[in-house]
Amino acid sequence: AQSVSQHNHHVILSEAASLELGCNYSYGGTVNLFWYVQYPGQHLQLLLKYFSGDPLVKGIKGFEAEFIKSKFSFNLRKPSVQWSDTAEYFCAVKALRDTDKLIFGTGTRLQVFP
Amino acid sequence: DTGVSQNPRHKITKRGQNVTFRCDPISEHNRLYWYRQTLGQGPEFLTYFQNEAQLEKSRLLSDRFSAERPKGSFSTLEIQRTEQGDSAMYLCASSFRDRGREQFFGPGTRLTVL
Repeated sequence: AQSVSQHNHHVILSEAASLELGCNYSYGGTVNLFWYVQYPGQHLQLLLKYFSGDPLVKGIKGFEAEFIKSKFSFNLRKPSVQWSDTAEYFCAVKALRDTDKLIFGTGTRLQVFP
Repeated sequence: DTGVSQNPRHKITKRGQNVTFRCDPISEHNRLYWYRQTLGQGPEFLTYFQNEAQLEKSRLLSDRFSAERPKGSFSTLEIQRTEQGDSAMYLCASSFRDRGREQFFGPGTRLTVL
């Protein structure tokens, strides 16, 4: 069965620190990859997506992610976090051949302190 | 607001009662998805529609759950004979046309079964 693993459940950083959140998936075929963010009290919003082409994807608010096919990974990065980045981050995978559903990881809670 | 809307936002019910939730997708989106999210977990896929056709149902969706999208626009999710284990956030998402497109999420309906 397809699955998504997010290794960091809770990350605490100070402002201006660099961020990297891990995401690994299990599926051998073609995938679309997503990072969603949920700010406190708000609904899930798309942060960035990978469909094909350049494996380094840039999203909103200075976030980027790199798709490494050989490692089945899609890690999220930001060089300098802000207090406003405090949120829960979800990695999601869509296995194109089989389905149109998203499979989510369990999420990473990020807290950024001023 | 032209995003995905869900009603009600909160529902408290007693065990054994039936509940129904409504989702209105973004107007031009032909695909509509239902997910369920419990505390500390990522969203889990329940079912999805293309127009009025229900294309896939998760094994999580017991026979107490039924979803409809009668005219290919809004959708309803009904839970019959609710159980305490049904307590969760029920999320609706929609996407446009082709497979592989990103899904836009609504704010969710939080169900509490007493």
